[in-house]
Amino acid sequence: DTEVTQTPKHLVMGMTNKKSLKCEQHMGHRAMYWYKQKAKKPPELMFVYSYEKLSINESVPSRFSPECPNSSLLNLHLHALQPEDSALYLCASSQDSVREGRNTEAFFGQGTRLTVV
Amino acid sequence: AQSVTQLDSHVSVSEGTPVLLRCNYSSSYSPSLFWYVQHPNKGLQLLLKYTSAATLVKGINGFEAEFKKSETSFHLTKPSAHMSDAAEYFCVVSDRISGYSTLTFGKGTMLLVSP
Repeated sequence: DTEVTQTPKHLVMGMTNKKSLKCEQHMGHRAMYWYKQKAKKPPELMFVYSYEKLSINESVPSRFSPECPNSSLLNLHLHALQPEDSALYLCASSQDSVREGRNTEAFFGQGTRLTVV
Repeated sequence: AQSVTQLDSHVSVSEGTPVLLRCNYSSSYSPSLFWYVQHPNKGLQLLLKYTSAATLVKGINGFEAEFKKSETSFHLTKPSAHMSDAAEYFCVVSDRISGYSTLTFGKGTMLLVSP
């Protein structure tokens, strides 16, 4: 199984709503990532979890709250979002690069298309 | 610091003709390089990767790329384009940190394939 599964595929939410994006992988990867991608732009890194610990937070506003309940799951909790937060949110995972002794590729999910109204 | 430059924002080819997508990188040490493809409203799929083994790397769907250290390039090629190749392509350089890798993306090249 080389899949990263994201749910939901599409989400429309109001600016006062609370919602969560979910990501799951069963490849035994110990690093998981959230990226944000606006139209016609490359993905931008938001968060990195390594061994279930938050390792990177790229100055993301607090209305985005990541959570890693276990080594297979990654959530992104959303609250009080703005219309400019509308984007494709991508989850990715990768093997432990130090243990592998090389830079390892990331496997991406299909993304959640988020629209904030 | 690492960086990636994709030299063309759009490339247009006819079906059956060769494809060349250009990428130059900047890295202070021996890099790991990747090409990813993204079809509309989809996630990113790994096409191929270079991790300091053979300099000519073969990937999926007939794509290949050659790592040229002297030119700091990692161009993506395919001998004959297919309509299904129309998509956005990202050249990516990876930096290894303890426990995870960070990816630096190029701005992307949109490949358009006409009949």
